[in-house]
Amino acid sequence: DAKTTQPTSMDCAEGRAANLPCNHSTISGNEYVYWYRQIHSQGPQYIIHGLKNNETNEMASLIITEDRKSSTLILPHATLRDTAVYYCIVRENQGGKLIFGQGTELSVKP
Amino acid sequence: DGGITQSPKYLFRKEGQNVTLSCEQNLNHDAMYWYRQDPGQGLRLIYYSQIVNDFQKGDIAEGYSVSREKKESFPLTVTSAQKNPTAFYLCASESRENTEAFFGQGTRLTVV
Repeated sequence: DAKTTQPTSMDCAEGRAANLPCNHSTISGNEYVYWYRQIHSQGPQYIIHGLKNNETNEMASLIITEDRKSSTLILPHATLRDTAVYYCIVRENQGGKLIFGQGTELSVKP
Repeated sequence: DGGITQSPKYLFRKEGQNVTLSCEQNLNHDAMYWYRQDPGQGLRLIYYSQIVNDFQKGDIAEGYSVSREKKESFPLTVTSAQKNPTAFYLCASESRENTEAFFGQGTRLTVV
């Protein structure tokens, strides 16, 4: 079973920041937080992952709370092409299987 | 170019027939996965393999079988025992360090 809880859907205005929350209250010390997204009818795409420090790459930023029980994926300037289902996943970094939950369907609107 | 390839993209079969979906990767990844996705749903894990000649059942393995005879290949057979095989099937691979999984473009199987 997925170890995360995400809102079913969210809307965001084009050009604004999209903040996608994820709860993972049962996360253990050796588990990482991963984010993937899936554009309709395609395979999921890796976005970012982190353990406890905040992370940033060319696609997004990941903010993990100090107690590690929740995190937020931030798309700083959402575009229409960011419309997708976003999955938050908790897993061990080596050997942990990749289990997807239901994800958040993000709709970026003009 | 390195990548992961699923074939075919669309597949039609008659009910009661076994069908095998192909997944090949040239990324030198140790781990490979098979998922099933139904309309409007998330991905559900069917089987996964962390190393050649070894694989484990995922959450919905009944009616499916796999093999991992080569590092590059992880074919999935949908058997006649699978009650509702029509779905979108996705294959993925990742390195031993598990930093990023790469997905194929999927096979859409329709059983009539």
